[in-house]
Amino acid sequence: DAGVTQSPTHLIKTRGQQVTLRCSPKSGHDTVSWYQQALGQGPQFIFQYYEEEERQRGNFPDRFSGHQFPNYSSELNVNALLLGDSALYLCASSQGPRGGYTFGSGTRLTVV
Amino acid sequence: GQQVMQIPQYQHVQEGEDFTTYCNSSTTLSNIQWYKQRPGGHPVFLIQLVKSGEVKKQKRLTFQFGEAKKNSSLHITATQTTDVGTYFCAGPGGATNKLIFGTGTLLAVQP
Repeated sequence: DAGVTQSPTHLIKTRGQQVTLRCSPKSGHDTVSWYQQALGQGPQFIFQYYEEEERQRGNFPDRFSGHQFPNYSSELNVNALLLGDSALYLCASSQGPRGGYTFGSGTRLTVV
Repeated sequence: GQQVMQIPQYQHVQEGEDFTTYCNSSTTLSNIQWYKQRPGGHPVFLIQLVKSGEVKKQKRLTFQFGEAKKNSSLHITATQTTDVGTYFCAGPGGATNKLIFGTGTLLAVQP
């Protein structure tokens, strides 16, 4: 049990569609970070949420947006999906922005 | 922007042999973290090093943080098949808290 819950586990979408991925952090964690991991590569930082605000952002276009709720859970939204958005999307929670991360099992997104 | 590189990209060893992966950052890091990702799995936090020259051990794993806080290494003694996976180092990106992951080293262990 990773402690971090992500849903759904797998998703197939068509180009141009929109998708919402969800993450519940580990109990006691208040910070959520989202990563995109393409096959055979390391996780790439998308953004981090702390105290319901986006605190940091990686080099991802505005099509990627997110939200953090008062219970610390988070959503990642991707608009106008491209084939290149196909990847494993990982949510990581931590106690504060600097803590060691606990990762969820990820959502495997396939765009066709 | 900040880059974190790891070598080798891939290592194949016989069970019982030692293994080392090296991590180099283009900028000084306030801390370095190591993660292990099994095939088909998600990254699992192993350890965090904070001090210059710090060395930490976890059973057969030895982690080291360089004096200049720009490099790190992970050494596994007497590998086992359970060590199979990709090992990532990760460090905070510059003045921000976002964690930048290295390129990873895939370890294959032949029984």
